[in-house]
Amino acid sequence: SAVISQKPSRDICQRGTSLTIQCQVDSQVTMMFWYRQQPGQSLTLIATANQGSEATYESGFVIDKFPISRPNLTFSTLTVSNMSPEDSSIYLCSVDTIHANYGYTFGSGTRLTVV
Amino acid sequence: KQEVTQIPAALSVPEGENLVLNCSFTDSAIYNLQWFRQDPGKGLTSLLLIQSSQREQTSGRLNASLDKSSGRSTLYIAASQPGDSATYLCAVRYNAGNNRKLIWGLGTSLAVNP
Repeated sequence: SAVISQKPSRDICQRGTSLTIQCQVDSQVTMMFWYRQQPGQSLTLIATANQGSEATYESGFVIDKFPISRPNLTFSTLTVSNMSPEDSSIYLCSVDTIHANYGYTFGSGTRLTVV
Repeated sequence: KQEVTQIPAALSVPEGENLVLNCSFTDSAIYNLQWFRQDPGKGLTSLLLIQSSQREQTSGRLNASLDKSSGRSTLYIAASQPGDSATYLCAVRYNAGNNRKLIWGLGTSLAVNP
């Protein structure tokens, strides 16, 4: 299955600032997925990142708040902009290796605390 | 509405016990179901993937079963160890192709006590 390197692993940020999270995959993948996991909650899909086109955002998430880049088939970034304490969550990237029968693979997560 | 429910929400057992975690889904027309493990504050590790045509999958001390007709999957952990302590998440995929959304349960938080 694919191996994903995600960084940073954690950060503490001031409100009003922005943080960019990076995910690097060891193989080429068509789609990358960005999730948020708020404290005590399950995962919520933020957007799907496609190479060569704009990301597709889920209901409740907008590009101005969560801009995504996908410059090639192995890399993506998610920026959390103008942060508030409500943005404190674990952010995860994921790829689908279903064609290899391995299902979804996740990065190690970024634990964000906004103070 | 497609929903996934996991029972129990939390479980505490002594080391060595065999245990069963449950996952139920409202729409039986699934594409596949995947079990994950999440350690506190960390990412997800895939444990087992069951395709809709399969009845079970095994990996080491883990066995996952799937009964589509009843809308249920179980994760069986044999001879539990303290290192098994984590949250176990069940995720169901309903569509192949470009619609690859997963429907997630809230997880079962497992504590295995030495």
